[in-house]
Amino acid sequence: SAVISQKPSRDICQRGTSLTIQCQVDSQVTMMFWYRQQPGQSLTLIATANQGSEATYESGFVIDKFPISRPNLTFSTLTVSNMSPEDSSIYLCSVTSAVSYEQYFGPGTRLTVT
Amino acid sequence: RKEVEQDPGPFNVPEGATVAFNCTYSNSASQSFFWYRQDCRKEPKLLMSVYSSGNEDGRFTAQLNRASQYISLLIRDSKLSDSATYLCVVSPYDSWGKLQFGAGTQVVVTP
Repeated sequence: SAVISQKPSRDICQRGTSLTIQCQVDSQVTMMFWYRQQPGQSLTLIATANQGSEATYESGFVIDKFPISRPNLTFSTLTVSNMSPEDSSIYLCSVTSAVSYEQYFGPGTRLTVT
Repeated sequence: RKEVEQDPGPFNVPEGATVAFNCTYSNSASQSFFWYRQDCRKEPKLLMSVYSSGNEDGRFTAQLNRASQYISLLIRDSKLSDSATYLCVVSPYDSWGKLQFGAGTQVVVTP
């Protein structure tokens, strides 16, 4: 399985500010995704990060709020913009094996918005 | 109705006992199925994929019933380290790579 790192691991931010989360994979992967896990809840897919093109967002998530970049096959960023306390959550990136549907997750970024 | 439903538990299991739980999914065209394990404040980790014929990995056995649209996980000889939340995960046929997560079943193994 791929080794995935995320930065920062946690942050406390003031409402109205933005935070960019980085995801780095140790090998080239086809698919990268960003998920959110709110307290006590399961994971919800935010978007698919597409290499060299705009991300594909799930219902309820928009580019203005969660801009995503993926400049190459091993790196992606997710920005949480104009944050509010409702954005307090764990944000996880994940990658999918090119030959199976098995998906692996980064360690997550724990975000608290005050 | 949720796409993937699980009994949240907790299932309190004496050490050494067997525990089993199910998950149901609503999309009959779903293609791939997985069990993930999530420890408190950690990321989900793939426990095992679930194949149509059923599969076993050590003390863990997974079964898929496409007709009734459920998958199951059985843990034999439970260890204290098996305490975790087990996430049922389904991949829709028409959305390669996208996963739908159940809310998880909590298992607590007690001495």
